[in-house]
Amino acid sequence: AQSVAQPEDQVNVAEGNPLTVKCTYSVSGNPYLFWYVQYPNRGLQFLLKYITGDNLVKGSYGFEAEFNKSQTSFHLKKPSALVSDSALYFCAVREEAAGNKLTFGGGTRVLVKP
Amino acid sequence: EAGVAQSPRYKIIEKRQSVAFWCNPISGHATLYWYQQILGQGPKLLIQFQNNGVVDDSQLPKDRFSAERLKGVDSTLKIQPAKLEDSAVYLCASSSYTGATNEKLFFGSGTQLSVL
Repeated sequence: AQSVAQPEDQVNVAEGNPLTVKCTYSVSGNPYLFWYVQYPNRGLQFLLKYITGDNLVKGSYGFEAEFNKSQTSFHLKKPSALVSDSALYFCAVREEAAGNKLTFGGGTRVLVKP
Repeated sequence: EAGVAQSPRYKIIEKRQSVAFWCNPISGHATLYWYQQILGQGPKLLIQFQNNGVVDDSQLPKDRFSAERLKGVDSTLKIQPAKLEDSAVYLCASSSYTGATNEKLFFGSGTQLSVL
């Protein structure tokens, strides 16, 4: 069965510093990987996805993620964090063998301090 | 473009009562999902509709939860009777679903349910 792990419940970073949110996955076939963000009292919003091709994927709001097949990881990154990036971030995986069901990780809360 | 609409925004009920949530997906989106998000956890898929047919309801507690999507547009999720552990945010999402695994989902703001 497919699964996603986000090892950090919370990440604290100072504004202007680089931000990294970790994600590892487990699938039996080829993974389709996603990052979603959830702001307070809002629904989840799509940030970016990896399907195939270039391992570095660029998404919304200056975020990017790097797919690493050997480490089964898909870490989310931003070179310079903003206070407005404070939110809950979810990694998700999908594979055809699981009926295209989208499985989410437990989430990582990001707190960017001024 | 209007987003996914959900109502009510909040609901407080006592255990053993019934409750219903409503979702209106983005116009033209064939696929509709209901997710349960318990505090501190990631969303868990309850049921997936393709038009008005059920694609996946393997994680839906069918003894108390039911969902329908009449006419392939709006959807209703019902819990009867509710238990304390049903306290969660219920998220509705939709996608155009051309059958591709790379589709992204559009989420509503959710209904926060508290069972006392």
